[in-house]
Amino acid sequence: AQSVAQPEDQVNVAEGNPLTVKCTYSVSGNPYLFWYVQYPNRGLQFLLKYITGDNLVKGSYGFEAEFNKSQTSFHLKKPSALVSDSALYFCAVRGSNDYKLSFGAGTTVTVRA
Amino acid sequence: DTAVSQTPKYLVTQMGNDKSIKCEQNLGHDTMYWYKQDSKKFLKIMFSYNNKELIINETVPNRFSPKSPDKAHLNLHINSLELGDSAVYFCASSRLAERDTQYFGPGTRLTVL
Repeated sequence: AQSVAQPEDQVNVAEGNPLTVKCTYSVSGNPYLFWYVQYPNRGLQFLLKYITGDNLVKGSYGFEAEFNKSQTSFHLKKPSALVSDSALYFCAVRGSNDYKLSFGAGTTVTVRA
Repeated sequence: DTAVSQTPKYLVTQMGNDKSIKCEQNLGHDTMYWYKQDSKKFLKIMFSYNNKELIINETVPNRFSPKSPDKAHLNLHINSLELGDSAVYFCASSRLAERDTQYFGPGTRLTVL
């Protein structure tokens, strides 16, 4: 079975400060890892993914994520957060032979001005 | 043009009723999905269709029945609605070969009274 854990329900940062949203995963075989963002009253939007290659993946809106196989983690980062980054962030995983994505419980990010 | 659209946006109904939610995508994708997001924002896949064929069928009550008349449409019919069915239901679509990059609709908020 595949699963994702997002240990923080909420992350609060000041605008301009670095933002990190944590994610750890469990999957059989090679992991395919993803981050999605959900703005209030909207559907999810794809941010970035790791399939293979460089451990540091760059995505939309200045976000990046680092794959760490030994720690089974895929933390989302942004060097300088904006108020407009305030949203609900979901980490997701699937195994290489799976059709379905398994999502984490989500982390609410609040960036204060 | 909206890429993935759902109707209705809000649905309020009584227990025991039967209701349907419609989803349409104009992205030319061959795979569509239904997700349920509960009050704690936990997101779980329910069904997925590829070219009108069911490929993911998670453990959901058989009161829920998806129907895909063509590649661009995936409807969700729910019989004998229960209080626990209250949630936001998201439709999504993708290419099967790129199933990790899913495009989500705006959601349908179902409230069962």
